Amino acid sequence: DQQVKQNSPSLSVQEGRISILNCDYTNSMFDYFLWYKKYPAEGPTFLISISSIKDKNEDGRFTVFLNKSAKHLSLHIVPSQPGDSAVYFCAASAVRSGGSNYKLTFGKGTLLTVNP
Amino acid sequence: DVKVTQSSRYLVKRTGEKVFLECVQDMDHENMFWYRQDPGLGLRLIYFSYDVKMKEKGDIPEGYSVSREKKERFSLILESASTNQTSMYLCASSLGVGYNSPLHFGNGTRLTVT
Repeated sequence: DQQVKQNSPSLSVQEGRISILNCDYTNSMFDYFLWYKKYPAEGPTFLISISSIKDKNEDGRFTVFLNKSAKHLSLHIVPSQPGDSAVYFCAASAVRSGGSNYKLTFGKGTLLTVNP
Repeated sequence: DVKVTQSSRYLVKRTGEKVFLECVQDMDHENMFWYRQDPGLGLRLIYFSYDVKMKEKGDIPEGYSVSREKKERFSLILESASTNQTSMYLCASSLGVGYNSPLHFGNGTRLTVT
């Protein structure tokens, strides 16, 4: 039962254009969402997060949008740069539910390639 | 910056061997985690620890155990390595459990079991 889904295994965009990475979730208890970026042979690095009380969070070139009714979030990268080429993981947790809020549930990842 | 250090980048072990993967964090974080990453499966949680000597099973604990004797160190143990445990293993730590407490990952240990 995959609770966090990234349906696009890969995405290719031109340098300077917008990259949009999508993520869907099924667990309505999730209230904290994060994006991680992973280069080959390195561990994932935290990129940006959003809590369910917001619908948008922005940090420089990166913006995350959350649509709770659709159980959908997206990461926008504008403008895209070749150095953004990496695997991007969406992750979610249920912070307020009182359950096992130590756990992050990850999607399978999307490989972004930004072409010069 | 938080530093999470995994003792080995690459390991090759034989089936049936007992394998220890070590992880150390330098930021006095309460929580530590072990994930494995496999192609097409993403990151899956094996075990986590929220305090010294405390541990909880993640989603795929079978065939693994963990040890946390000191706050900064979290070890993953494969009691009898099998070929299906060939994978990239990632250790992580976090200060808290809520908002603004993202996981910080090490660079991973690629384990091959032959």
